[in-house]
Amino acid sequence: QPILTQSPSASASLGASVTLTCTLNSDFSSSNVDWYQHRPSEGPHFLVRVDPSGNVESKAEGLPDRFSVLGSGLIRYLTINNIRTEDEGDYYCATDEGSGDTFVKVVFGGGTKVTVL
Amino acid sequence: EVRLVQSGAEVKKSGESLKISCQTSGYPFYRHWIGWVRQKPGQGLEWMGIIYPDDSDTRYSPSFRGQVSISVDTTINSVYLQWASLKTSDSGTYYCAHRRPVAGGNLDHWGQGTVVTVSS
Repeated sequence: QPILTQSPSASASLGASVTLTCTLNSDFSSSNVDWYQHRPSEGPHFLVRVDPSGNVESKAEGLPDRFSVLGSGLIRYLTINNIRTEDEGDYYCATDEGSGDTFVKVVFGGGTKVTVL
Repeated sequence: EVRLVQSGAEVKKSGESLKISCQTSGYPFYRHWIGWVRQKPGQGLEWMGIIYPDDSDTRYSPSFRGQVSISVDTTINSVYLQWASLKTSDSGTYYCAHRRPVAGGNLDHWGQGTVVTVSS
């Protein structure tokens, strides 16, 4: 099954940038990865889907340009530029285990807690 | 506009049954998958399962199969998550999520969450 590894925490000063990483296990290097933002007391929000080449496959309507993605091998990156206080929260990457009739589940990374200093 | 509105917080005792709901609107209910995700206190997101309302095709995560039941009521465009006998370890926040209707679609809309507290 896919395994997605994220750093537990990251921080940046107001207006600075922070890059989050999501590392896939080798068997799933060709998987799309979705990024979700989860702020306290809200449901999670989809941000962006990254394809294996690091390109945006789809993104949430109105996603600020401050959010950008990259990919390299097994790693998918989410960068938040000009970070704002409303960007604080937990960020999860996710991918599917199986597809179509063989879909098993969505697998989430452990999440990264982002703090704005 | 796709909207998912979940039922309110629940406080239960171990061994009791529970059914929480996710009322949907803004899209063709029958033809879009709806999933459930758990978040235990202080932990991350866990996938529980997903249902296709048109034929009630349900796919449970192996970790949750036999522990919960997912169902639909097509007359009121609602999806349910049900426990026959709660455990204290079922305490957490439960989210329903709409899956974008393409192959391998992302979870593009989420409910606000239902907090379930189970005491012994």
